Amino acid sequence: EPEVTQTPSHQVTQMGQEVILRCVPISNHLYFYWYRQILGQKVEFLVSFYNNEISEKSEIFDDQFSVERPDGSNFTLKIRSTKLEDSAMYFCASSRGDSLMNTEAFFGQGTRLTVV
Amino acid sequence: DQQVKQNSPSLSVQEGRISILNCDYTNSMFDYFLWYKKYPAEGPTFLISISSIKDKNEDGRFTVFLNKSAKHLSLHIVPSQPGDSAVYFCAAFGLGGSNYKLTFGKGTLLTVNP
Repeated sequence: EPEVTQTPSHQVTQMGQEVILRCVPISNHLYFYWYRQILGQKVEFLVSFYNNEISEKSEIFDDQFSVERPDGSNFTLKIRSTKLEDSAMYFCASSRGDSLMNTEAFFGQGTRLTVV
Repeated sequence: DQQVKQNSPSLSVQEGRISILNCDYTNSMFDYFLWYKKYPAEGPTFLISISSIKDKNEDGRFTVFLNKSAKHLSLHIVPSQPGDSAVYFCAAFGLGGSNYKLTFGKGTLLTVNP
């Protein structure tokens, strides 16, 4: 069964450093998402991406965040200068979205980002 | 502006009884509704969905009901099992403008007690 894969599973970084979280969405999917969950809190939407551009983003997704689909298979989330409060589990998701029957989003297992 | 609302942050039921998880939405452009289940330290997994042209969809122990006039949907789990203990997210999708985005509610933590 096709799945969304995320790497690494755990990333530890120093405050102020840049991090890139990587995701390989399901190959025939058209819509890509990043969500995050701070420990003990709710899953929060960050950004959605379609047709090589951001389609929607939340207030969390400020200038420190960016997304890219560099090579047609990977979908990355970059945090330019990490802060302690960026520590969270980051989930990538993808969906086909080409019809109402294909709106189910598949989620990856997540990357745990720890900023120290 | 929360377009998808799950007003109960948690729900506790006894094993074998029915669990009813509720979800309300405000955007009348939503056409399709989904429920996701999430265990700790895992990504959400798809559970069941319903199109706006239906009012009920059933899959085994899981049934989703949609009341369009009330902009309300619910997920029924019967009988509930301890393994159903997880966070359940309601999500909605609508064709509007150029944005294709699943809008999630904040989730309800279901605890099924043995």
